[in-house]
Amino acid sequence: NAGVTQTPKFQVLKTGQSMTLQCAQDMNHNSMYWYRQDPGMGLRLIYYSASEGTTDKGEVPNGYNVSRLNKREFSLRLESAAPSQTSVYFCASSETRGSVNTEAFFGQGTRLTVV
Amino acid sequence: DAKTTQPNSMESNEEEPVHLPCNHSTISGTDYIHWYRQLPSQGPEYVIHGLTSNVNNRMASLAIAEDRKSSTLILHRATLRDAAVYYCILRSGTSYGKLTFGQGTILTVHP
Repeated sequence: NAGVTQTPKFQVLKTGQSMTLQCAQDMNHNSMYWYRQDPGMGLRLIYYSASEGTTDKGEVPNGYNVSRLNKREFSLRLESAAPSQTSVYFCASSETRGSVNTEAFFGQGTRLTVV
Repeated sequence: DAKTTQPNSMESNEEEPVHLPCNHSTISGTDYIHWYRQLPSQGPEYVIHGLTSNVNNRMASLAIAEDRKSSTLILHRATLRDAAVYYCILRSGTSYGKLTFGQGTILTVHP
């Protein structure tokens, strides 16, 4: 099983360029998430999608947009990259229905550098 | 979200038990206690979770205080592969599964 797959694994952008980080999960989970992790810090939630067709802001949404394309795919877009967005980005998915708390599965991350 | 407090770092020797503490004095009745770990250069991975009772799985045990204001993740025999950052996270049943990560505890395992 692939689990959560992120592409690309590495990316270097110039300031002002745009790009989309792709994420797909094959576990039929209804919830998906995008986090960023800066050096020496824990992960911070950027956006999440509780179910297909819905998206909501997390802790640090500024400078990002997301699209829940279908149940499997959740993309993160940087419209105009800034050096402050240099980070490692993680996509995750989990099954959440009511108060059910199942484990979250994370991708391997995308290491983004903005110069 | 209720916060958790963990030591910044801990050390252990290989094949010895490790007890990783977590304080969560403002936990609410619907908060589950989750533990994740992050190996170097990898995404976090689930370790264990519980609500009120102690829990065991193939990776670890979770001991939850009777008042639920603290918990302890127990690795029964540490291996070098257990060297990671361990995160204690409270996950509300109404949070759509969102996880709020703190700084975690860096566990170093010595051969």
